Amino acid sequence: AQSVTQPDIHITVSEGASLELRCNYSYGATPYLFWYVQSPGQGLQLLLKYFSGDTLVQGIKGFEAEFKRSQSSFNLRKPSVHWSDAAEYFCAAGGYQKVTFGTGTKLQVIP
Amino acid sequence: NAGVTQTPKFQVLKTGQSMTLQCAQDMNHEYMSWYRQDPGMGLRLIHYSVGAGITDQGEVPNGYNVSRSTTEDFPLRLLSAAPSQTSVYFCASSPDRARSPLHFGNGTRLTVT
Repeated sequence: AQSVTQPDIHITVSEGASLELRCNYSYGATPYLFWYVQSPGQGLQLLLKYFSGDTLVQGIKGFEAEFKRSQSSFNLRKPSVHWSDAAEYFCAAGGYQKVTFGTGTKLQVIP
Repeated sequence: NAGVTQTPKFQVLKTGQSMTLQCAQDMNHEYMSWYRQDPGMGLRLIHYSVGAGITDQGEVPNGYNVSRSTTEDFPLRLLSAAPSQTSVYFCASSPDRARSPLHFGNGTRLTVT
């Protein structure tokens, strides 16, 4: 069965520091991969997506993610975190008809 | 452009009551889906639809019914509410099944007492 794993439940970083959120997937073939962000009380907003081609994808708000087939990973990165990045981040993988989400990583940003 | 609209935003039910969570989208998306979000469990797929008249079960369908009579609407029915159905429910749509990014509504927070 397909699955998405986000091993870090909660991460705290200082404002201005770099960030990496981990995501591993288990699928029969290379799935369509997504990162979403959720602010408190809101729905999910797409940060970036990977379908094929260049394994480093750029998204909104200065985020990027790298697809590594050999590690079944799709980690999210940002070089310098801003206080407004505090939110919950979800990795997701889509097959033909279903999208599977990870359990999320809550990001706290300290001044 | 309203996107995906969910109503109500909040609802409190007593055990055994029934209700319908409404979801409407104005983007002409063929694919629509319902998720529930619980702390520490991420989003779990309840039901989905790839077009009007077609629905299928997701990961956690028990206790929920759906129908899709139009492209725009995808209501979720709780037949006999249970405390285990206390959750935040999200409706989402996309133009190309699970291969396109999902557009989410703002959610319905349901409490069953």
